[in-house]
Amino acid sequence: SQQGEEDPQALSIQEGENATMNCSYKTSINNLQWYRQNSGRGLVHLILIRSNEREKHSGRLRVTLDTSKKSSSLLITASRAADTASYFCATAGRDDKIIFGKGTRLHILP
Amino acid sequence: DTAVSQTPKYLVTQMGNDKSIKCEQNLGHDTMYWYKQDSKKFLKIMFSYNNKELIINETVPNRFSPKSPDKAHLNLHINSLELGDSAVYFCASSQGLVNTGELFFGEGSRLTVL
Repeated sequence: SQQGEEDPQALSIQEGENATMNCSYKTSINNLQWYRQNSGRGLVHLILIRSNEREKHSGRLRVTLDTSKKSSSLLITASRAADTASYFCATAGRDDKIIFGKGTRLHILP
Repeated sequence: DTAVSQTPKYLVTQMGNDKSIKCEQNLGHDTMYWYKQDSKKFLKIMFSYNNKELIINETVPNRFSPKSPDKAHLNLHINSLELGDSAVYFCASSQGLVNTGELFFGEGSRLTVL
């Protein structure tokens, strides 16, 4: 299975600190995506990184991809209360499926 | 305007009943999906349609039957509901196939089977 596994499962940090979440997967991919899910809501796409890319930025988000280690990280800088949510990595392979990991629950403390 | 909308948002029903969840997208996307999210937040793909044609059918009981009348709609019908069917069901869409782009999700339909 190419399912991603996020680490840690849960993370609590103070507002203003940086949050780092990791994702590992098992098989080769075309791209890796990160999604956010607020409580009781649908998933929202954050960023997509292709297999030939190593790093990508979007606002306060920074994503890295290491295909040799089959891992990715999502860094959220200067965290805010509104960043409290679950974050999922999702891998897209050649079989036209996006497979989601189990998510990291991020809680930003005031 | 809601990009991917699904109805109903909440559904409470008895075991053995049949129910449907509807999904519509106004993004002009070619591909639509149904995902199931369990109580531990694990999200698993169920079905995928591209231009009304079934392209992904995961190991899902045949009590679940998707129907795509046109590429903007993908409905999910569930027969003989069981307790284990309780979950949040998400509809999603993408432009083309997923190995090139992102998914757009609806807000989910929470199904509770009593």
